[in-house]
Amino acid sequence: EAQVTQNPRYLITVTGKKLTVTCSQNMNHEYMSWYRQDPGLGLRQIYYSMNVEVTDKGDVPEGYKVSRKEKRNFPLILESPSPNQTSLYFCASGVTGQPNEAFFGQGTRLTVV
Amino acid sequence: GNSVTQMEGPVTLSEEAFLTINCTYTATGYPSLFWYVQYPGEGLQLLLKATKADDKGSNKGFEATYRKETTSFHLEKGSVQVSDSAVYFCALRTTGNQFYFGTGTSLTVIP
Repeated sequence: EAQVTQNPRYLITVTGKKLTVTCSQNMNHEYMSWYRQDPGLGLRQIYYSMNVEVTDKGDVPEGYKVSRKEKRNFPLILESPSPNQTSLYFCASGVTGQPNEAFFGQGTRLTVV
Repeated sequence: GNSVTQMEGPVTLSEEAFLTINCTYTATGYPSLFWYVQYPGEGLQLLLKATKADDKGSNKGFEATYRKETTSFHLEKGSVQVSDSAVYFCALRTTGNQFYFGTGTSLTVIP
């Protein structure tokens, strides 16, 4: 089954404790991306990657890091989480050519206390 | 800059009513336009898409037409069902491969 898998689905952590949210896709997509969803703000793009070893900042990259060492994986790293990073996070993947919609994971709800 | 504006919700309709959710966009170049749907506790699912001006996307009775002259991509359905209750997001993808989403419109359909 074609899917984008995020782990964990739920995470509660403390301020300053480094964490990683994993994202994996089995569709051989070149394009992968991370978003955060906040009430009243919709989804905002954090980082995206057009292919292995190629990453670019989205609209809200501050406080986040990503890496793309393999085509299927695109982890999101919070080196020093803060309460304002409490949010619902989505990973997505897609092809780079047309049609070019994004396929989304189930989401990771992160709470930083 | 690039942005998507969609009508505020929540929207509550009776079953079989006509649905319109307005979406307008600002973008440089020629973006692709999308409507996504999100059911409670789930990720976003593509509902329909259009990649150039005057294209009409359609799926499951929903339709939207890419109007470059009015920079709009309004979502319509002639007769909604209870199972259509969800949050709907309008989005654009730029030629530089960045995505921009609207804030979402919550739809509740009552029997």
